Amino acid sequence: EIVMTQSPATLSVSTGERATLSCRASESVTTKLAWYQQKLGQAPRLLIYGASTRATGVPDRFSGGGSGTEFTLTIDSLQSEDFAVYYCQQYNRWPPLFGQGTKVDIK
Amino acid sequence: QIQLVQSGAEMKKPGASVRVSCKASPYFTRYGFSWLRQAPGQGLEWMGWINGYSGETHVAETFQGRLTLTRDTFTSTAYMELRRLTSDDTAVYFCARQIAAAAGPVYFYDLWGRGTLVTVSS
Repeated sequence: EIVMTQSPATLSVSTGERATLSCRASESVTTKLAWYQQKLGQAPRLLIYGASTRATGVPDRFSGGGSGTEFTLTIDSLQSEDFAVYYCQQYNRWPPLFGQGTKVDIK
Repeated sequence: QIQLVQSGAEMKKPGASVRVSCKASPYFTRYGFSWLRQAPGQGLEWMGWINGYSGETHVAETFQGRLTLTRDTFTSTAYMELRRLTSDDTAVYFCARQIAAAAGPVYFYDLWGRGTLVTVSS
């Protein structure tokens, strides 16, 4: 199985700043990589698929990049509603596993 | 508004079984549905997948022999049954939709249910 590793575990950022989250796969997943946002007590929400395509309704301050084994999620000008846990998920090979998450909290 | 409606919270004793439902409409048979769970304070664990059209299933090795996925196309509902529960099964269980059922069990999820809390305690 492909192991997904996210870093850092926690990222402290001030409102208005940029946040950059990383996700590494133990082998290539090409661009079959999705990002989700999960707020406390809520279900995850799809942000990005295909490594860089924003899902419907996702603000353009969210952007994804990378291919192969290294991926990033960038949040420009962080808003208060962006403080949450972010997960990456590979869907190149069964089983479709997730990273352990990066928590973005207020600095 | 399209949504996935899951059944309510469950309290079970060790050794029991739990069945969680996920109602999805419209166009149920166009989609695949995965089940995932999240233990308190933990990340997301993928459990298995069912094709809403064919009923084909794939179950993670961790749950093989203990997890059954079914669906009822007449009521547009997917079901997850987990048997021989232990305290380690205490978690929020999510159903999640993938757009293309024909893509198979490895895909991303564009819509999630709100989750069902299953508590296993004696």
